[in-house]
Amino acid sequence: EAQVTQNPRYLITVTGKKLTVTCSQNMNHEYMSWYRQDPGLGLRQIYYSMNVEVTDKGDVPEGYKVSRKEKRNFPLILESPSPNQTSLYFCASNGLAGGSANTGELFFGEGSRLTVL
Amino acid sequence: DQQVKQNSPSLSVQEGRISILNCDYTNSMFDYFLWYKKYPAEGPTFLISISSIKDKNEDGRFTVFLNKSAKHLSLHIVPSQPGDSAVYFCAAIDQGGSEKLVFGKGMKLTVNP
Repeated sequence: EAQVTQNPRYLITVTGKKLTVTCSQNMNHEYMSWYRQDPGLGLRQIYYSMNVEVTDKGDVPEGYKVSRKEKRNFPLILESPSPNQTSLYFCASNGLAGGSANTGELFFGEGSRLTVL
Repeated sequence: DQQVKQNSPSLSVQEGRISILNCDYTNSMFDYFLWYKKYPAEGPTFLISISSIKDKNEDGRFTVFLNKSAKHLSLHIVPSQPGDSAVYFCAAIDQGGSEKLVFGKGMKLTVNP
């Protein structure tokens, strides 16, 4: 089954304690991205990756890091979480076969709800 | 600056009636538009899209209309069903430029039995 898998689905942590949210897709997609969803703000892009070893900032990258060492994995790292990073996080992927234009038709994971106390 | 706007946060309709969800955009470079649907505790799922070279795209009960001159698109659901109750996100992308997908803030649709 084609899917994007995120872990953990729920996490409560404390300020300053480093954490990583993993994301893995089994569709051999080149493009992967992280979003956060907050009430009244919709979906905002944190970071994205066009392919292995290629990452770039989205709209709200502050306080986050990512890496893309393998095509299937795109972890989101919070080095020193703060309460304003309490949010619902989504990983997404999209196949850009042969360099074709991005249609924006993303496959999303089920989300990771993070609470930072 | 919000480039994709869903000005109504919610909509409630009766089962069997038409649901019309509206979306406005400001960036004239957007050339592909999408609607996503999101249920609670799930990730968004792609619903329907439309290219800027068209003014209508239909898929079963779902139809998206695009009015480029007004920079406006709408999603029509006919007939509405209780299972359509969800948050709907409008999104747009400039395929020839940044290729960045921009989302609206979402609209909660409730279809009452």
